[in-house]
Amino acid sequence: NAGVMQNPRHLVRRRGQEARLRCSPMKGHSHVYWYRQLPEEGLKFMVYLQKENIIDESGMPKERFSAEFPKEGPSILRIQQVVRGDSAAYFCASLATGTAGYTFGSGTRLTVV
Amino acid sequence: KNEVEQSPQNLTAQEGEFITINCSYSVGISALHWLQQHPGGGIVSLFMLSSGKKKHGRLIATINIQEKHSSLHITASHPRDSAVYICAVRLPQFYFGTGTSLTVIP
Repeated sequence: NAGVMQNPRHLVRRRGQEARLRCSPMKGHSHVYWYRQLPEEGLKFMVYLQKENIIDESGMPKERFSAEFPKEGPSILRIQQVVRGDSAAYFCASLATGTAGYTFGSGTRLTVV
Repeated sequence: KNEVEQSPQNLTAQEGEFITINCSYSVGISALHWLQQHPGGGIVSLFMLSSGKKKHGRLIATINIQEKHSSLHITASHPRDSAVYICAVRLPQFYFGTGTSLTVIP
């Protein structure tokens, strides 16, 4: 069981480009949470997904950000037309259905230049 | 207003000291987590609590549901314990404290 896998670990994008961050939860886990950690700030909830469903996206910026967790494959956090303020560490965590087990990925550090 | 407040923000200790980090929250929760984040590294979930006390090695976590308060204790602290410790409450989505930066000096 490889744990929660996030890739890439580091991502550099120019302003205006798109960033795609991937999260593969632990085997058997069907709930995924995305969090953002801005420089010198704490973690902030962004979105909570189950397979093929967005359960809570109250922490997502209204524009340019979207997330999905398809039936097959990893969860994707997509940021369109990135700006410098999007530079942050993005973490995902997965939770197995019916349990309280909760595991974090190593994060993707996005730098917008 | 933060749903989760941690104290202290920064803590420096001598190796071997007993350390306590506190967390207070203002909302009804289904669970509270203590997380550890090393510099430049990922996040490790240390404990998940909904009542009482849990112990793992030199780490002890307690929670008082009535008082909406939790503590993380480290006994016989060691330099490798140096990290940021984060309290998070689950509603089901998570709200995080701002973290306590711990430095243990040899």
